[in-house]
Order: sequence, then structure tokens, then C-alpha cells
Amino acid sequence: SYVLTQPPSVSVAPGQTARVTCGGDNIGSKSVHWYQQKPGQAPVLVVFDDDDRPSGIPERFSGSNSGNTATLTISRVEAGDEADYYCQVWDTSGDHLYVFGSGTKVTVL
Amino acid sequence: QVQLVESGGGVVHPGGSLRLSCAASGFTFSSYGMHWVRQAPGKGLEWVTFIRYDGGNKYYADSVKGRFFISRDNSKNTLHLQMNSLRPEDTALYFCAKEMMNYLTFDSWGQGTPVTV
Repeated sequence: SYVLTQPPSVSVAPGQTARVTCGGDNIGSKSVHWYQQKPGQAPVLVVFDDDDRPSGIPERFSGSNSGNTATLTISRVEAGDEADYYCQVWDTSGDHLYVFGSGTKVTVL
Repeated sequence: QVQLVESGGGVVHPGGSLRLSCAASGFTFSSYGMHWVRQAPGKGLEWVTFIRYDGGNKYYADSVKGRFFISRDNSKNTLHLQMNSLRPEDTALYFCAKEMMNYLTFDSWGQGTPVTV
């Protein structure tokens, strides 16, 4: 099955840039989507198709995808960005058609 | 705006059954594929099952295949998940989610309904 690997945690100071990585075999050939989930809340799509943003998502959220790594970048980090972030792809090779990464806790210092 | 409201969760013994429902509003329900995604306590997200907009195609994660069954009633804008032969490892918060057209991802989620086995 296809595995997406994320770091468990990322810490960043307010105003700085946070980068959350998502590793997968030749992930650059897939379309990657990113979710933000705050405690007790449902996930929210923040980036889709590698680098597009749904309406209402700040421009501070951006994505990239190449080779074996996709990256979610949060610029000018704010306290309200503290959350868990999950990457997701669609894959037909394993037992889950829709595969999620293990999640990364972004902590704003 | 899109609204998805799950119901039907609860506490059940191993081997038991539950039927979850998801009431949809704010969009043309019959035009969109729908999913169930779950999250075990303190864990990450796990996709469970998908149903095509017209109910014609259904897909399941191997972990629930043969035990869980997804269905929909487009006349009532409602999605269902029949869960049989429940196991302790099925304990989770179950979200219904709307497929994002053309992008194989989820653009709207409900708040979830908890299931404890």
C-alpha cells in the first residue's frame, strides 16, 4: 500500500514560515491535498491539487510537490494556525483508495 | 452553504451493529460522491468508504470490506453507513465528507458522530 510520511511535529515562531513535508514514493506524480484540523473540529481543506487554495483560505497557505516530497508552507504564521495538518492522495495500489499521511502537529511558539 | 450533519453513533458491544446517517444540505446532493472517514481517538484520519453520486459505484477500505455498507437516498439528501460485526478497532469518530468535483478529495466535512465498540 502507498505510505505518506509526515514529521510528527513542527514548531514555529509567530510571523515566521512553517513547512510541513509529506513524503511518498514518486509523490510528485500524484495530486496532493492538505487538511488543517483543530482540536475537536472537523478537518478543513486548505490546499488541493498540490498548490491550489479553496475559497476563503488565506494566501499564507501554499503547497508544492516534486519528486518524493510534497510540502505545505504556511507563511507569516499566526497563533490560529496551530493545528494538526494532514496530507492526502488518491492511490489504487493498496487497501485504501484515499490515503492520508500520519499528520503533523504545528505548534506556534 | 454546505452542511453535513451525522447521527446514529453510540456505544455497542463487539459483534454488534450500528447505522450512521448523514443529512446533507446546501448543495445538489445527487450530483456528488460522498464518503465516510473515521478518526480513532488521538489518531489520524482513515478513509472508510465512498459512494458515487448515483449510488452506482461503492468502494471500501479493506479493514471494513464485507462488514460495512454505504448507501444513499438522493430523494432525502441522506447518506448512510450500515456497520455490522463491529470490532473494538472500529471505535472512532465517523465523519461524512463530500467529494470535491474532479479532484479526488474532500471539500466539506460534517462534525462527526462517535462510535465506541
